[in-house]
This record gives sequence, C-alpha cells and structure tokens, in this order.
Amino acid sequence: DVKVTQSSRYLVKRTGEKVFLECVQDMDHENMFWYRQDPGLGLRLIYFSYDVKMKEKGDIPEGYSVSREKKERFSLILESASTNQTSMYLCASSTGSGLRGTEAFFGQGTRLTVV
Amino acid sequence: EDKVVQSPLSLVVHEGDTVTLNCSYEVTNFRSLLWYKQEKKAPTFLFMLTSSGIEKKSGRLSSILDKKELFSILNITATQTGDSAIYLCDIPLYIFGTGTRLKVLA
Repeated sequence: DVKVTQSSRYLVKRTGEKVFLECVQDMDHENMFWYRQDPGLGLRLIYFSYDVKMKEKGDIPEGYSVSREKKERFSLILESASTNQTSMYLCASSTGSGLRGTEAFFGQGTRLTVV
Repeated sequence: EDKVVQSPLSLVVHEGDTVTLNCSYEVTNFRSLLWYKQEKKAPTFLFMLTSSGIEKKSGRLSSILDKKELFSILNITATQTGDSAIYLCDIPLYIFGTGTRLKVLA
C-alpha cells in the first residue's frame, strides 16, 4: 500500500518562527511536491523536486524553501512564519519520466496556523 | 500561462440526482488530465484521461475528455451522501483547478 506521510496533522506556530514540514514517501518516487490549499484558490504549487538535491519553484515560492537530501524525504521550510502562511499544506509524490508524471499520491495534509 | 478552470465552484443536490462537473484547460504540452476526489484531507485519484472521446468508468462515476474543445467532464449518477467531497481536476502535476465542492443531501 503506497504511502505519503506528513509529520504533523496540525501545527500552531508564532509569527517569525522557523517552521519545518516533513514529508516521506515509501514508493521510490522521483517526483515530490508541496502545495498549499486555501478556500477558493484550490491547490497551488509551492515547490517541487524531480530528483535528490534538485528543486524547482512553483507558482508561490516566496517565503518558503525546500530540501531534498534523500529520495524519500522532501521538507518544506518557512524561514520566518507569517500569518498569511496559515493554510493547509499538502505533500505529494509521483513517478513518471520528465516533469509531468502520472497520478499523484498525497499525504494527509498539515494544517498550519500562524498566530 | 497554463490554466485549469472548474465549474461550478459548488453544487448542492439530493441523493439520486445526476451531476456533471466541468473542467476546461489551456496548457502547453498536454499529456493527461486527472480527476481526484478530496473528502477530508488527502485527494485520492479517480481517473486519468489521455485520449479524446474514450470514456473512463468506475461504478457510478464516469469521465471523458475532449482535446479539441479542451475540456473534460466528470459525471456522477445516482448520487449518494458519500459522494460529498471536493472534486479536483489536474493537469499533472502542477496545475490544479480550484475544485468543485459537491454536497449531496439525504
């Protein structure tokens, strides 16, 4: 059974804190993604990675960074959390050649609240 | 700029009704279109469409793609309360529509 695991389901952080969101997949997928989901805006891509140590900016990378030191793990970092980063964060992985892969498998999401 | 637009944004129906959800797109280098269902947290995969005019079917759900007119539809017949969810259209893997929130009333 394929699995994408996000380290936290709920997080509450203070403005200015550094926040780490971790995502691990056990499917040996090349591609990993971080999205945020907000009402009325759908899923928006923050960053993606198609290989270890490779990363590409998505649509809304400002205020975020990522790390992919191992194939199975993709971390999203908020260097200095702000209230407008309060959101649901979803990690996904997929296989497939190139950047447009096949179906994505999603983690359960992390609801982050920045106060 | 690549774009995926879903309509309607939300829909309320009664059990037994049939619904049609729409997804139109403008993307370069189209390869496939995917539909997902999101009930609580993680979206789960429903269909992948790559060829025009070939219906994909799974129980009461079906979907078809029109690559000439650049849209896809997702049909749900004899809806049940368990069909209540957000339905997401995706051009893999960057571009999601805003989703259609479906609520099925008993």
